[in-house]
Amino acid sequence: TQLLEQSPQFLSIQEGENLTVYCNSSSVFSSLQWYRQEPGEGPVLLVTVVTGGEVKKLKRLTFQFGDARKDSSLHITAAQTGDTGLYLCAGEDTGNQFYFGTGTSLTVIP
Amino acid sequence: EAGVAQSPRYKIIEKRQSVAFWCNPISGHATLYWYQQILGQGPKLLIQFQNNGVVDDSQLPKDRFSAERLKGVDSTLKIQPAKLEDSAVYLCASSLSLGRGADTQYFGPGTRLTVL
Repeated sequence: TQLLEQSPQFLSIQEGENLTVYCNSSSVFSSLQWYRQEPGEGPVLLVTVVTGGEVKKLKRLTFQFGDARKDSSLHITAAQTGDTGLYLCAGEDTGNQFYFGTGTSLTVIP
Repeated sequence: EAGVAQSPRYKIIEKRQSVAFWCNPISGHATLYWYQQILGQGPKLLIQFQNNGVVDDSQLPKDRFSAERLKGVDSTLKIQPAKLEDSAVYLCASSLSLGRGADTQYFGPGTRLTVL
C-alpha cells in the first residue's frame, strides 16, 4: 500500500511559535510537493522539490527534501493565524504512482 | 484567470441513489483529475484524464463510479448507486501537462457529498 505518513496529525500552537511537520515514506519519490488547504476550499500548491537534500524557502516557510528522497519536512517560523489549515504533502514515486499524504491539521491560536 | 469550477457545492442523497458532479477546468489545461477526500484525510486520486483519454483510473471503484471528459474540456463524475462510505468531498483539479508530481495542480472548491 502506498503511504505518505505525516506527523503530527494535529497541531495547535500559539501565534509566534515555530513548528515542523514531517512527511515520511518507505518509497523513493521523483518529486514531492506541499499543499495547504483551508476549510471549504481545494488544496493550494506551496512548493515542489525534486532534488535529494534540496531546501526551499518561501518567506517564513522552509521545505526540505530528504537526501534519499523518501521524506520531507516543512518548518514554519513565527506562525501566524493565517497559517491555520490542513498541510498536505504529495508525491510521485519512482513507480509513477501519485498520492497525497495523510495530512497535518494546524491551528494557530492568537 | 478563472479557476477550476465545480458544481454543485453540496449534495445530500440517500443510499442507493445516483449523483453526478461537474467540473470545468482552467482553460487550456490538458490534464484533469478527480479526487475523493474523506474528512480529515488527504485526497485520493480517483481518475486522471489527459485531454479526453484516461491516464490513470486504478483507484476508481468501477462497479459504481464512472467519469467522462467529452471533448477534452468539462468532466462529469457519477456514482450509481451511492453507499454511505461515499460521503466525502469530491475535488476536481487541472494542470497544464501530464507531470502530476512536478506540475502545479489547480483545485476547485469541491463538492461535499453526504449519503444518508
